[in-house]
Amino acid sequence: GDSVTQMEGPVTLSEEAFLTINCTYTATGYPSLFWYVQYPGEGLQLLLKATKADDKGSNKGFEATYRKETTSFHLEKGSVQVSDSAVYFCALSGKAAGNKLTFGGGTRVLVKP
Amino acid sequence: NAGVMQNPRHLVRRRGQEARLRCSPMKGHSHVYWYRQLPEEGLKFMVYLQKENIIDESGMPKERFSAEFPKEGPSILRIQQVVRGDSAAYFCASSPASQETQYFGPGTRLLVL
Repeated sequence: GDSVTQMEGPVTLSEEAFLTINCTYTATGYPSLFWYVQYPGEGLQLLLKATKADDKGSNKGFEATYRKETTSFHLEKGSVQVSDSAVYFCALSGKAAGNKLTFGGGTRVLVKP
Repeated sequence: NAGVMQNPRHLVRRRGQEARLRCSPMKGHSHVYWYRQLPEEGLKFMVYLQKENIIDESGMPKERFSAEFPKEGPSILRIQQVVRGDSAAYFCASSPASQETQYFGPGTRLLVL
């Protein structure tokens, strides 16, 4: 079945540091890929998405590129802020599995001033 | 445009009681999804519904759990005879159609004493 693997946290960074969170997937066919962010005590917010190979999703300084050859969708941000402290979830929506989302385990990111 | 609404935000139940969680999708959205997040884990798909129909319930426990999305009113996730292992955050998401991006509500945090 479909699965998503992302790096375990917590990831602790200083403000203005470079952030990378690795995400790889296994799926039948060509899924859509997503990054969601969860702030403490809140629900998930869509951060960015990509629906086909080589697409780059971007939002709020975050980027991720859909790499079919490596089945990856790594999240990057060039200069993090304290307000980026949150849990980040990589997810896929496999067309063969209807529209349900399959999530990775989440990566907690803590940005210190 | 109001987002996905869930209530209650917090729910405390004793073992053996019933829990009813409500989800009102975004305006214009006719597809609803329920996910469960156990402590320190990622989200797991439970059920996918359209108005008056259950499309995919492959993630629902076979006993005690049921879901509905009536023609009028919110979607309801019902847990009968709750046990401590049901303690989790339950998130609802909605989309305007299948294969479209899902938008999440703030979640209901269920605590079973």
